[in-house]
Amino acid sequence: KAGVTQTPRYLIKTRGQQVTLSCSPISGHRSVSWYQQTPGQGLQFLFEYFSETQRNKGNFPGRFSGRQFSNSRSEMNVSTLELGDSALYLCASSQQGGNEKLFFGSGTQLSVL
Amino acid sequence: QQQVKQSPQSLIVQKGGISIINCAYENTAFDYFPWYQQFPGKGPALLIAIRPDVSEKKEGRFTISFNKSAKQFSLHIMDSQPGDSATYFCAASGGSTLGRLYFGRGTQLTVWP
Repeated sequence: KAGVTQTPRYLIKTRGQQVTLSCSPISGHRSVSWYQQTPGQGLQFLFEYFSETQRNKGNFPGRFSGRQFSNSRSEMNVSTLELGDSALYLCASSQQGGNEKLFFGSGTQLSVL
Repeated sequence: QQQVKQSPQSLIVQKGGISIINCAYENTAFDYFPWYQQFPGKGPALLIAIRPDVSEKKEGRFTISFNKSAKQFSLHIMDSQPGDSATYFCAASGGSTLGRLYFGRGTQLTVWP
Protein backbone atom coordinates (compact mmCIF):
# COMPACT_ATOMS: atom_id res chain seq x y z
CA LYS A 1 0.00 0.00 0.00
CA ALA A 2 1.42 3.38 -0.96
CA GLY A 3 1.99 5.86 1.85
CA VAL A 4 0.88 9.46 2.08
CA THR A 5 2.20 11.40 -0.90
CA GLN A 6 2.84 15.11 -0.79
CA THR A 7 3.77 17.27 -3.74
CA PRO A 8 5.84 19.20 -4.40
CA ARG A 9 8.68 18.22 -2.07
CA TYR A 10 10.28 21.66 -2.14
CA LEU A 11 8.90 25.06 -3.06
CA ILE A 12 10.40 28.54 -3.16
CA LYS A 13 8.10 31.54 -3.32
CA THR A 14 8.36 35.26 -2.73
CA ARG A 15 6.38 37.39 -0.31
CA GLY A 16 2.88 38.21 -1.49
CA GLN A 17 2.54 35.18 -3.73
CA GLN A 18 0.17 32.31 -3.09
CA VAL A 19 0.90 28.61 -3.01
CA THR A 20 -1.04 25.36 -3.26
CA LEU A 21 0.21 22.14 -1.71
CA SER A 22 -1.17 18.72 -2.52
CA CYS A 23 -1.67 15.57 -0.46
CA SER A 24 -2.78 12.10 -1.53
CA PRO A 25 -3.76 10.00 1.50
CA ILE A 26 -3.37 6.28 1.90
CA SER A 27 -6.00 4.41 -0.08
CA GLY A 28 -9.13 3.97 2.00
CA HIS A 29 -8.31 6.77 4.42
CA ARG A 30 -11.01 9.40 4.62
CA SER A 31 -9.45 11.84 7.08
CA VAL A 32 -6.67 14.23 6.10
CA SER A 33 -4.95 16.62 8.51
CA TRP A 34 -2.40 19.33 7.87
CA TYR A 35 0.35 20.46 10.23
CA GLN A 36 2.95 23.19 10.03
CA GLN A 37 6.40 22.36 11.42
CA THR A 38 8.94 25.04 12.27
CA PRO A 39 12.02 25.03 14.52
CA GLY A 40 10.50 27.77 16.67
CA GLN A 41 6.91 26.59 17.07
CA GLY A 42 7.22 22.86 16.48
CA LEU A 43 4.24 21.01 15.02
CA GLN A 44 1.10 23.12 14.82
CA PHE A 45 -2.29 21.85 13.66
CA LEU A 46 -3.78 23.65 10.68
CA PHE A 47 -7.00 21.78 9.86
CA GLU A 48 -8.59 18.39 9.40
CA TYR A 49 -10.93 17.20 6.67
CA PHE A 50 -13.21 14.20 6.60
CA SER A 51 -15.41 13.31 3.65
CA GLU A 52 -14.84 16.73 2.08
CA THR A 53 -15.88 18.58 5.26
CA GLN A 54 -13.59 20.58 7.51
CA ARG A 55 -14.08 19.18 11.01
CA ASN A 56 -11.36 20.99 12.91
CA LYS A 57 -9.38 24.15 12.42
CA GLY A 58 -6.29 25.40 14.23
CA ASN A 59 -5.33 28.94 15.15
CA PHE A 60 -4.02 30.15 11.83
CA PRO A 61 -5.10 33.25 9.90
CA GLY A 62 -7.64 33.05 7.10
CA ARG A 63 -4.79 33.13 4.56
CA PHE A 64 -4.47 29.42 5.23
CA SER A 65 -7.22 27.37 3.67
CA GLY A 66 -7.77 23.85 2.49
CA ARG A 67 -10.16 21.52 0.82
CA GLN A 68 -10.73 17.85 0.29
CA PHE A 69 -11.99 16.17 -2.84
CA SER A 70 -14.35 13.23 -3.22
CA ASN A 71 -11.37 10.86 -3.66
CA SER A 72 -10.02 12.07 -0.27
CA ARG A 73 -7.12 13.92 -1.86
CA SER A 74 -6.54 17.26 -0.20
CA GLU A 75 -4.99 20.60 -1.02
CA MET A 76 -4.00 23.47 1.19
CA ASN A 77 -3.57 27.01 -0.03
CA VAL A 78 -1.68 29.89 1.51
CA SER A 79 -2.37 33.32 0.05
CA THR A 80 -0.33 36.50 0.41
CA LEU A 81 2.73 34.65 1.65
CA GLU A 82 4.78 36.09 4.49
CA LEU A 83 8.37 35.31 5.46
CA GLY A 84 7.07 33.59 8.58
CA ASP A 85 5.18 31.06 6.48
CA SER A 86 8.47 29.34 5.68
CA ALA A 87 8.03 25.88 7.15
CA LEU A 88 7.65 22.19 6.52
CA TYR A 89 3.99 21.47 5.80
CA LEU A 90 2.98 17.95 6.72
CA CYS A 91 -0.09 16.07 5.66
CA ALA A 92 -1.37 13.09 7.63
CA SER A 93 -4.11 10.63 6.89
CA SER A 94 -6.16 8.16 8.90
CA GLN A 95 -9.17 5.99 8.30
CA GLN A 96 -11.73 7.89 10.34
CA GLY A 97 -9.87 10.70 12.07
CA GLY A 98 -10.26 10.98 15.81
CA ASN A 99 -7.91 9.23 18.21
CA GLU A 100 -6.22 6.80 15.91
CA LYS A 101 -2.91 6.31 14.17
CA LEU A 102 -1.94 9.12 11.84
CA PHE A 103 0.25 8.36 8.85
CA PHE A 104 2.37 11.35 7.86
CA GLY A 105 3.81 12.20 4.49
CA SER A 106 7.37 13.51 4.12
CA GLY A 107 6.09 17.05 3.80
CA THR A 108 6.51 20.04 1.51
CA GLN A 109 9.35 22.36 2.49
CA LEU A 110 8.19 25.90 1.70
CA SER A 111 10.68 28.75 1.64
CA VAL A 112 9.36 32.29 1.34
CA LEU A 113 11.93 34.87 0.21
CA GLN B 1 -0.42 28.33 25.36
CA GLN B 2 1.57 25.14 25.04
CA GLN B 3 -0.90 22.35 25.73
CA VAL B 4 1.80 19.70 25.97
CA LYS B 5 5.21 20.42 27.51
CA GLN B 6 8.11 18.14 26.68
CA SER B 7 11.56 17.76 28.18
CA PRO B 8 14.45 17.55 27.69
CA GLN B 9 14.98 19.40 24.43
CA SER B 10 18.00 17.21 23.66
CA LEU B 11 19.34 13.98 25.06
CA ILE B 12 22.61 12.14 24.57
CA VAL B 13 22.74 8.51 25.63
CA GLN B 14 25.35 5.81 25.27
CA LYS B 15 24.51 2.68 23.31
CA GLY B 16 22.76 0.20 25.56
CA GLY B 17 21.56 2.89 27.96
CA ILE B 18 18.03 3.99 28.81
CA SER B 19 16.57 7.11 27.18
CA ILE B 20 13.80 8.86 29.09
CA ILE B 21 11.65 11.67 27.70
CA ASN B 22 8.96 13.36 29.75
CA CYS B 23 5.76 15.17 28.87
CA ALA B 24 3.09 17.01 30.83
CA TYR B 25 -0.34 18.15 29.75
CA GLU B 26 -3.01 20.51 31.07
CA ASN B 27 -6.30 19.51 29.45
CA THR B 28 -7.97 16.77 31.52
CA ALA B 29 -10.19 15.96 28.54
CA PHE B 30 -7.21 14.50 26.68
CA ASP B 31 -7.57 10.74 26.41
CA TYR B 32 -5.09 9.70 23.76
CA PHE B 33 -1.32 10.08 24.14
CA PRO B 34 0.87 8.99 21.21
CA TRP B 35 4.60 9.26 20.72
CA TYR B 36 6.01 9.97 17.29
CA GLN B 37 9.53 9.45 15.95
CA GLN B 38 10.91 11.64 13.19
CA PHE B 39 14.06 11.14 11.14
CA PRO B 40 15.58 13.99 9.09
CA GLY B 41 13.75 14.50 5.82
CA LYS B 42 10.82 12.34 6.88
CA GLY B 43 7.46 12.93 8.45
CA PRO B 44 6.74 11.75 12.01
CA ALA B 45 5.87 8.07 12.43
CA LEU B 46 3.79 6.67 15.27
CA LEU B 47 5.93 4.75 17.75
CA ILE B 48 3.54 3.83 20.54
CA ALA B 49 0.39 5.26 22.10
CA ILE B 50 -1.49 4.96 25.38
CA ARG B 51 -4.93 5.76 26.73
CA PRO B 52 -5.47 6.81 30.36
CA ASP B 53 -7.13 3.57 31.44
CA VAL B 54 -3.68 1.94 31.78
CA SER B 55 -0.56 3.18 33.57
CA GLU B 56 1.99 1.51 31.34
CA LYS B 57 2.28 0.13 27.82
CA LYS B 58 5.25 -1.72 26.42
CA GLU B 59 6.13 -2.51 22.82
CA GLY B 60 9.54 -4.07 22.37
CA ARG B 61 12.17 -1.70 23.74
CA PHE B 62 9.69 1.19 24.01
CA THR B 63 7.55 1.79 27.11
CA ILE B 64 5.09 4.56 27.92
CA SER B 65 4.46 5.31 31.59
CA PHE B 66 1.31 7.31 32.33
CA ASN B 67 0.42 9.16 35.54
CA LYS B 68 -3.12 10.47 35.27
CA SER B 69 -3.19 12.30 38.60
CA ALA B 70 0.02 14.17 37.79
CA LYS B 71 -1.01 14.68 34.15
CA GLN B 72 2.34 13.38 33.01
CA PHE B 73 3.55 10.66 30.70
CA SER B 74 6.97 9.53 29.62
CA LEU B 75 8.71 7.43 27.00
CA HIS B 76 11.42 4.99 28.01
CA ILE B 77 13.71 3.50 25.37
CA MET B 78 15.55 0.51 26.76
CA ASP B 79 18.86 -0.69 25.32
CA SER B 80 19.12 2.46 23.18
CA GLN B 81 20.74 1.95 19.78
CA PRO B 82 22.41 4.38 17.33
CA GLY B 83 19.48 3.73 14.98
CA ASP B 84 17.18 5.27 17.61
CA SER B 85 18.85 8.66 17.04
CA ALA B 86 15.95 10.84 15.93
CA THR B 87 13.57 13.51 17.18
CA TYR B 88 10.77 12.27 19.42
CA PHE B 89 7.46 14.06 19.90
CA CYS B 90 4.83 13.40 22.49
CA ALA B 91 1.28 14.42 21.67
CA ALA B 92 -2.21 14.45 23.11
CA SER B 93 -5.78 14.73 21.91
CA GLY B 94 -9.32 14.10 23.04
CA GLY B 95 -12.60 15.70 24.06
CA SER B 96 -13.58 18.60 21.85
CA THR B 97 -10.17 18.47 20.18
CA LEU B 98 -10.83 15.03 18.73
CA GLY B 99 -8.90 14.63 15.51
CA ARG B 100 -6.42 17.33 16.43
CA LEU B 101 -3.09 16.42 17.98
CA TYR B 102 -1.28 18.81 20.28
CA PHE B 103 2.43 18.10 20.02
CA GLY B 104 5.26 18.73 22.46
CA ARG B 105 8.25 20.67 21.11
CA GLY B 106 10.31 17.54 20.54
CA THR B 107 13.42 15.88 21.96
CA GLN B 108 16.47 15.32 19.80
CA LEU B 109 17.94 11.98 20.88
CA THR B 110 21.52 11.05 20.01
CA VAL B 111 22.75 7.58 20.86
CA TRP B 112 26.54 7.21 20.82
CA PRO B 113 27.95 3.84 19.70
